[in-house]
Amino acid sequence: DTAVSQTPKYLVTQMGNDKSIKCEQNLGHDTMYWYKQDSKKFLKIMFSYNNKELIINETVPNRFSPKSPDKAHLNLHINSLELGDSAVYFCASRRTENSPLHFGNGTRLTVT
Amino acid sequence: RKEVEQDPGPFNVPEGATVAFNCTYSNSASQSFFWYRQDCRKEPKLLMSVYSSGNEDGRFTAQLNRASQYISLLIRDSKLSDSATYLCVVNMKGGSYIPTFGRGTSLIVHP
Repeated sequence: DTAVSQTPKYLVTQMGNDKSIKCEQNLGHDTMYWYKQDSKKFLKIMFSYNNKELIINETVPNRFSPKSPDKAHLNLHINSLELGDSAVYFCASRRTENSPLHFGNGTRLTVT
Repeated sequence: RKEVEQDPGPFNVPEGATVAFNCTYSNSASQSFFWYRQDCRKEPKLLMSVYSSGNEDGRFTAQLNRASQYISLLIRDSKLSDSATYLCVVNMKGGSYIPTFGRGTSLIVHP
């Protein structure tokens, strides 16, 4: 009975390719996030959507495009993948601004 | 200055020890504070929320000091299974409140 699920768990691809990561939450939360955790383990926010509307867009290359078809889904599409995109990408959601985040189990992206 | 700062450690302690971590934040308008635990190659999991009055959950005690802008986590009677990275999360005021992570403090509990 997974709360926040993301697919795929592992993604290995070559430079220049385009790939997508999907995220779904069944918690009824209004706000969803994408975080990137790099090799130094720092979790950095990328995007946030509230009820399908973009509310946070940190300094992320425009090769990254989030898409929220409904408030339970927030997908991440990445164009023209680069070596530096290799990281673990976590999807998360929360009920309100004061609530804790609930994380998916991460997508480990390796660009070769 | 980093927005949320933590000592990366590692803190290397024997079983049964008491260990404390601090986390400082830069934005006084921040609200909502949390401690998360992250095991190797896994997602962060909520350990506890942090309240001004302080709160306790078993061997874990969290404290918030708004005047000095830091939060703390105390672990008593450390277990081997407490070995993990502990992440401080602060809801930073921007246009909206942004959950902002510290870099984490690594704890290693040895026999």
